[in-house]
Formats: sequence, C-alpha cells, structure tokens
Amino acid sequence: AQSVAQPEDQVNVAEGNPLTVKCTYSVSGNPYLFWYVQYPNRGLQFLLKYITGDNLVKGSYGFEAEFNKSQTSFHLKKPSALVSDSALYFCAVRDKKGTYKYIFGTGTRLKVLA
Amino acid sequence: DGGITQSPKYLFRKEGQNVTLSCEQNLNHDAMYWYRQDPGQGLRLIYYSQIVNDFQKGDIAEGYSVSREKKESFPLTVTSAQKNPTAFYLCASSIGTEIYEQYFGPGTRLTVT
Repeated sequence: AQSVAQPEDQVNVAEGNPLTVKCTYSVSGNPYLFWYVQYPNRGLQFLLKYITGDNLVKGSYGFEAEFNKSQTSFHLKKPSALVSDSALYFCAVRDKKGTYKYIFGTGTRLKVLA
Repeated sequence: DGGITQSPKYLFRKEGQNVTLSCEQNLNHDAMYWYRQDPGQGLRLIYYSQIVNDFQKGDIAEGYSVSREKKESFPLTVTSAQKNPTAFYLCASSIGTEIYEQYFGPGTRLTVT
C-alpha cells in the first residue's frame, strides 16, 4: 500500500537559519509527491510537487524539496527561515495509479523562533 | 475570483441531528474531496468524487454521505450515525489527473454537543 511518513511532529528553528521538514514515502510505481502548508484555522495551500525530472523542486515562498529515490525521501527545505513560515506542513503522495486519491502524512508543525 | 468555498465557517449542532456542509468550486475541476482533520491525526479522506454523478468512499466514510449532482458542488452530510462528528472538515478539488495538486477550501469547524 502507498504510504507517507513525517517522522517529526514538530521542528523548531531560529529565524534566518535553514530549515528542513522530513518526509519519506513508500509507493509502487512512480511517486507523485506534494507538499502543502496550513496556517491556523485555514485550508491547506499547495507549495510544490515532484512528478518527474529534476530532483530539486522549487516552489512557493522560497521553499524547495529534494527528491531522493534511493532513500525514498522528499524533504522540504528553505535556506533562511522566517517567523511567518511557522505553520503545519503536510507531505502527500498519490495513491494507486489510476485513482485521483492522495495519502497525507500526519503533519509537522514548524516553529520559527525570532 | 476562482476558488473553492465552504460554508459556514463554524457550525453547531445538537447530538442526533443530521447536518450538511456545503462545498462549491468554480475552478471547473472534475475531482472533489472531503477530508476530516483532528488534532494530531493529519487529514483523513471521507469521500471523493472523480466525476459528476460518481463518488467513492474514503478511509472513514461511515456516518457520512455525499452527492455529486453538479460539477461545482459536493455537499457532505454528517449523519447522526457518526459517533464523533466534532472536527474540522476540509473540502478540496483538483483538475482530475494524478499529477495535479489539490485546491482546498477554508474549512468548516463542526461542533456537536
């Protein structure tokens, strides 16, 4: 079965420092991977996705993610964190081929400290 | 403005009552989804629809029902059979192919007492 894991419930980082939010996946076939961000009491917003091509994917708000097939990971990164980046981040993977269903991780709360 | 709307933002009901949550999109998307979000549990799929007049159960469909009579609308009914209905409900849509991301509504917070 397809699955995605976010091993950290919370990540704390100082403003200006680089940040990483981890995601690992288990899929059969080609992995279609997504990152979303959720601010309090709001819906999710799409950040970036990996479908094929370059392993380094650039997205919104200065975020990027590195697809690593050998480690089955898709970690979200940003070179310099902002306090406004503090939010809940979700990794997601396409479910079985042929369906429009996605599996979401449990989320990682990012806290950027001033 | 194109987007996906959910109403109301907050909803309060007494136990034993059915309640319907609205979800409308004007993005011309084929696929629509309902998720439930509880603290510490991420998003869990309730129902999804890949095309008008068709929908499939997700992982936690018991106690919920949906309809998809129009492309732009995907209402969710929380029935009295749902044992723990208090949660944050999110509706989403996507173009309808696997490589496209989902667009989410602002959510409805349902409280049942």
